[in-house]
Amino acid sequence: EADIYQTPRYLVIGTGKKITLECSQTMGHDKMYWYQQDPGMELHLIHYSYGVNSTEKGDLSSESTVSRIRTEHFPLTLESARPSHTSQYLCASSGQGNIQYFGAGTRLSVL
Amino acid sequence: AQSVTQPDIHITVSEGASLELRCNYSYGATPYLFWYVQSPGQGLQLLLKYFSGDTLVQGIKGFEAEFKRSQSSFNLRKPSVHWSDAAEYFCAVGASFGNEKLTFGTGTRLTIIP
Repeated sequence: EADIYQTPRYLVIGTGKKITLECSQTMGHDKMYWYQQDPGMELHLIHYSYGVNSTEKGDLSSESTVSRIRTEHFPLTLESARPSHTSQYLCASSGQGNIQYFGAGTRLSVL
Repeated sequence: AQSVTQPDIHITVSEGASLELRCNYSYGATPYLFWYVQSPGQGLQLLLKYFSGDTLVQGIKGFEAEFKRSQSSFNLRKPSVHWSDAAEYFCAVGASFGNEKLTFGTGTRLTIIP
């Protein structure tokens, strides 16, 4: 089982603040993903990466940005948070077998 | 384009009763199929997966799923549910290799009543 960590678990922040959601995995997986999920709803892929210095936008348009400078680290940044960004953000990683392993998520509330 | 349909948005089952959650997929090649479970406020945990071989696969927590190619289905079953099984369940389809992304269904919420 892969180990994938997300911090913080919960974040309440005011409008206009810059935030970074952290995601790290210890399995050496090349592929990493960010999903956005409203409570009780489906997952929407917002960013993915197939390796260092590779990032792509997902199926759902997002104002967030990501970077992949190290294999194990895939942070997501919002330059100016808005109430519409309130959601749960899930990070996942996968190796050659394409099984995605998920972190526990970050629940973001923007006031 | 690949797709996953979970026709039941919400299912309520009595504790100790059997359970079947439906999943239908559309995929152009041999599918790699998954079931994940999500407890409230948590990430997704892999229950089981299928790529080839025996069409009845066993997973964790007493769950199993059966792949039926003719019906494009991959239904999840459990003979006797426990209150701790209350969660959201997601079916997903993708390729077993390469850079293809997984496609997830919209999920089925399972409620357990005493």
